[in-house]
Amino acid sequence: GQNIDQPTEMTATEGAIVQINCTYQTSGFNGLFWYQQHAGEAPTFLSYNVLDGLEEKGRFSSFLSRSKGYSYLLLKELQMKDSASYLCAVRDHGVSGATNKLIFGTGTLLAVQP
Amino acid sequence: DGGITQSPKYLFRKEGQNVTLSCEQNLNHDAMYWYRQDPGQGLRLIYYSQIVNDFQKGDIAEGYSVSREKKESFPLTVTSAQKNPTAFYLCASSTGQGQDTQYFGPGTRLTVL
Repeated sequence: GQNIDQPTEMTATEGAIVQINCTYQTSGFNGLFWYQQHAGEAPTFLSYNVLDGLEEKGRFSSFLSRSKGYSYLLLKELQMKDSASYLCAVRDHGVSGATNKLIFGTGTLLAVQP
Repeated sequence: DGGITQSPKYLFRKEGQNVTLSCEQNLNHDAMYWYRQDPGQGLRLIYYSQIVNDFQKGDIAEGYSVSREKKESFPLTVTSAQKNPTAFYLCASSTGQGQDTQYFGPGTRLTVL
């Protein structure tokens, strides 16, 4: 089956570093995405990993280990505006390999405190 | 300006009425998607279309219908058969190739009274 797990909520302090973990089980892994979603707004794309290792983009980095079914999103120098939900999504090419669907986790609500 | 638009932002309907949500993109993307988001749940795929004049059911298609007559447009109809239609509806599009990142519209919050 397909399953994605991430913590429901996290709290961190302005200026600090926070790591949001995501574990997944899929039959046909074909890439992992992280999105940021502020309340009542659309998800916005943050990062993409398909090979093992770390991808860095400014204050945000994302890591993938395919053998462990594990990813994390690292946010550095936290700002108040980083308070949002962070969605982990895995692309699965399915049994036949004919489709590429995204399967979303329930999201991690991050609260950044002064 | 390139992007994805959804209208309206908020929509209210009486129970038993069909309602159509619009989604338009000018990104020249081949693939388009409709998701539903409920509190405490991840985004769930309703329908998707990889090319004009073709679409497939997602995980929760019952009570919904779509059409893809133009590349730019992928409207979603919420029918009276949908048991619990109140939700936040998100449309997305992607190239359908390579990294194939999905980009989302601003969403429509539908409330059925």
